[in-house]
Amino acid sequence: SYVVTQPPSVSVAPGKTATITCGGNNIGRKSVHWYQQKPGQAPVLLIYYDSDRPAGTPERFSGSNSGDTATLTISRVEAGDEADYYCQVWDSSNSHRVFGGGTKLTVL
Amino acid sequence: EVQLVESGGGLVQPGRSLRLSCAASGFNFYNYAMHWVRQSPGKGPEWVSIITWDSGTVDYADSVKGRFTISRDNAKNALYLQMNRLRPEDTAFYYCAKDLRVGAITYAFDIWGQGAMVTVSS
Repeated sequence: SYVVTQPPSVSVAPGKTATITCGGNNIGRKSVHWYQQKPGQAPVLLIYYDSDRPAGTPERFSGSNSGDTATLTISRVEAGDEADYYCQVWDSSNSHRVFGGGTKLTVL
Repeated sequence: EVQLVESGGGLVQPGRSLRLSCAASGFNFYNYAMHWVRQSPGKGPEWVSIITWDSGTVDYADSVKGRFTISRDNAKNALYLQMNRLRPEDTAFYYCAKDLRVGAITYAFDIWGQGAMVTVSS
């Protein structure tokens, strides 16, 4: 099965930029979606197909995907961004459908 | 308002069965693939199953294949998950989730229910 790796935690000061990575073999050839989950709530789709934003996702959230790493970037971090972030990888050619273990974002 | 509401969760003994339901409203349910996703407390989500808009294609995670069955009733705007031969490792919140695009499979879940807790324990 396909293995996806996320750092367990990332800390950032308000107003700064947070970078959350999602690593996997040739992940750049696969589709990556990103979700935000706050305590007691269901996940919310933030980014789909590597870098597209659904309506409602602030422009401060952006995504990229190349080589062995997909990246979620959060600019001008706010206290309300504190949450767990999950990447999800889908590869239609081999039915890889897997979530990363999640990254807890702490706003200092 | 676009909404998904799960029901049917609860405490069940290992080896027994449970059926989850998901009521959809606020969108053309018959146009979208639907999924079940589960999440054990403190863990990341795990995709469980998909059913296309016309029930023509279904698929399952290896961890549930042969034990779980997904189905839908477009006339009732309802999604179901029949879970048989339950195991303790099936304990999780079970979410129904809507696929992002009309008539397509993207595995991007833009609408989630609030979740139904399933606990498998003797």
